[in-house]
Amino acid sequence: AQSVTQLDSHVSVSEGTPVLLRCNYSSSYSPSLFWYVQHPNKGLQLLLKYTSAATLVKGINGFEAEFKKSETSFHLTKPSAHMSDAAEYFCVVSTGGGNKLTFGTGTQLKVEL
Amino acid sequence: NAGVTQTPKFQVLKTGQSMTLQCAQDMNHEYMSWYRQDPGMGLRLIHYSVGAGITDQGEVPNGYNVSRSTTEDFPLRLLSAAPSQTSVYFCASSMTSGGFYEQYFGPGTRLTVT
Repeated sequence: AQSVTQLDSHVSVSEGTPVLLRCNYSSSYSPSLFWYVQHPNKGLQLLLKYTSAATLVKGINGFEAEFKKSETSFHLTKPSAHMSDAAEYFCVVSTGGGNKLTFGTGTQLKVEL
Repeated sequence: NAGVTQTPKFQVLKTGQSMTLQCAQDMNHEYMSWYRQDPGMGLRLIHYSVGAGITDQGEVPNGYNVSRSTTEDFPLRLLSAAPSQTSVYFCASSMTSGGFYEQYFGPGTRLTVT
């Protein structure tokens, strides 16, 4: 069985300040983990993925995430928020390369001037 | 490449009506899937396919049928629409196994059942 918990449903930051979106997962086997972003009225786009290579994963638009097995976490960070980062972010887990992906409930990121 | 396309973008149905949501991809991807997105619930997997002629159920399959006669197309059929099926539906595809590879999502179909 696999599950994913996004710890914050809404996060608000000021432009230029760091972003932290938190994700914890549960998986019986070695997981693959992803972060996707969804801008309003759009489909989802991959930000980054972890598939058992380097534990620090760099993605698009300056985002990165660190896989911490001991904490079962995969938090998404960005050093400096931009207005264009305002969107909904989803943490996703898949076990052992299986065909079923489990999505978190999403974190809405608001970026203020 | 057009990527993943979905039609229609919007649809309103009355309870009991049936309809088919269309999904097509031009990337020669083996894996295709359908999700529904409801507020506060993330995306939930309805059905998926690992290749032409092969389909399987996801987390919330009841009330939906799928078939995969070609690599490109993966239509989703609502047999008898219910208000609980009001949602935004996304089709996605990836190279092979859905668990390792990036999913490419279509723009979505917003369905309202009255």
